[in-house]
Amino acid sequence: SQQGEEDPQALSIQEGENATMNCSYKTSINNLQWYRQNSGRGLVHLILIRSNEREKHSGRLRVTLDTSKKSSSLLITASRAADTASYFCATDEGGSYIPTFGRGTSLIVHP
Amino acid sequence: SAVISQKPSRDICQRGTSLTIQCQVDSQVTMMFWYRQQPGQSLTLIATANQGSEATYESGFVIDKFPISRPNLTFSTLTVSNMSPEDSSIYLCSAAGIGDTEAFFGQGTRLTVV
Repeated sequence: SQQGEEDPQALSIQEGENATMNCSYKTSINNLQWYRQNSGRGLVHLILIRSNEREKHSGRLRVTLDTSKKSSSLLITASRAADTASYFCATDEGGSYIPTFGRGTSLIVHP
Repeated sequence: SAVISQKPSRDICQRGTSLTIQCQVDSQVTMMFWYRQQPGQSLTLIATANQGSEATYESGFVIDKFPISRPNLTFSTLTVSNMSPEDSSIYLCSAAGIGDTEAFFGQGTRLTVV
């Protein structure tokens, strides 16, 4: 079953703009992870945020977590054409430590 | 972080045949998983590979169709048996350490059944 649900399903922006993707989930979690996937290849791990954390940064990436709303957001600042990819959130449903994935957001950054 | 090598990276197979996918992790990990990603879809967990014992399968996946081995902490195989065109997907191996840690992925195996 899918735990996380990303929103929007597709996002098209110009290079230099910021991209925000959201993820909502249903049950309690230990952590939430964000991944990037280029053209049906393997997943690249971006950030893990734990349930007791509210915000994490990594380079141009900023992730927030609101456990009261069961939601997370991924912000990519100053986007580049190379950021074009699908982005997935994964939660460990029911605290199982097994990643369960949402449908993903397809991001296109136009040069 | 763990580096995961998965092979083959892609294959085209005849229906009715079987394909075994290998997954090698460069460090000892506690948990290994196998996922399927159908075209344009998200990842669906097939099973958790358990070292030295039978894998734990998710609803809709059975051992006869997707036998899994994990002889040690760093290696696992997934076999897709008696393939049909509906099995055409990307199959991904994932590994994670103990508890609340990142899960890393291999590059995936793109399987086409004709």
